Amino acid sequence: AQSVTQLDSHVSVSEGTPVLLRCNYSSSYSPSLFWYVQHPNKGLQLLLKYTSAATLVKGINGFEAEFKKSETSFHLTKPSAHMSDAAEYFCVVSAFNAGKSTFGDGTTLTVKP
Amino acid sequence: ETGVTQTPRHLVMGMTNKKSLKCEQHLGHNAMYWYKQSAKKPLELMFVYSLEERVENNSVPSRFSPECPNSSHLFLHLHTLQPEDSALYLCASSQGPGQGDEQYFGPGTRLTVT
Repeated sequence: AQSVTQLDSHVSVSEGTPVLLRCNYSSSYSPSLFWYVQHPNKGLQLLLKYTSAATLVKGINGFEAEFKKSETSFHLTKPSAHMSDAAEYFCVVSAFNAGKSTFGDGTTLTVKP
Repeated sequence: ETGVTQTPRHLVMGMTNKKSLKCEQHLGHNAMYWYKQSAKKPLELMFVYSLEERVENNSVPSRFSPECPNSSHLFLHLHTLQPEDSALYLCASSQGPGQGDEQYFGPGTRLTVT
């Protein structure tokens, strides 16, 4: 069995300040983990993924995430928020195949000027 | 065209209508997916195809009927829908159905059932 919990449904930051979006997962096996972003009226776009290689994963647009097995976490961070980062973010766990991926409920990121 | 495309982008249909959603991927992938995204609900996987064979069907009502004629095209045939079927329908593809394969999503079809 697997599950994913995004700990915040909404996060609001000021432009230029750090971003932290939290994700905890549960899996009976060694999972792959993903972060996707969805801008309004668009499909989901991959930000980054972890597949048992380096635990610190760098993605697009300055985002990165660290896989912490002991804490079963995969939090997404960015040092400095930009207005264009305002969107919905999804954490995804996949332990068998992509067809059995579990999506989190999403975190809405608001960036204030 | 690049990536994953979906048509139409918006669709309004009555409960007695029959319509189809189309998805095309230009990435040379072998797996394709249909998802339903409703407001205030997690993304719901509906169907998965790998090499044109259906490999997952997550208890979707029979009023939704998928078709995958080849690895580049995926359809979702709709008939006698209900108002609660109004949602954003997303198509995705991946290189394979492996756990490490990231999915590439289309922009979605916004469906409204009246």
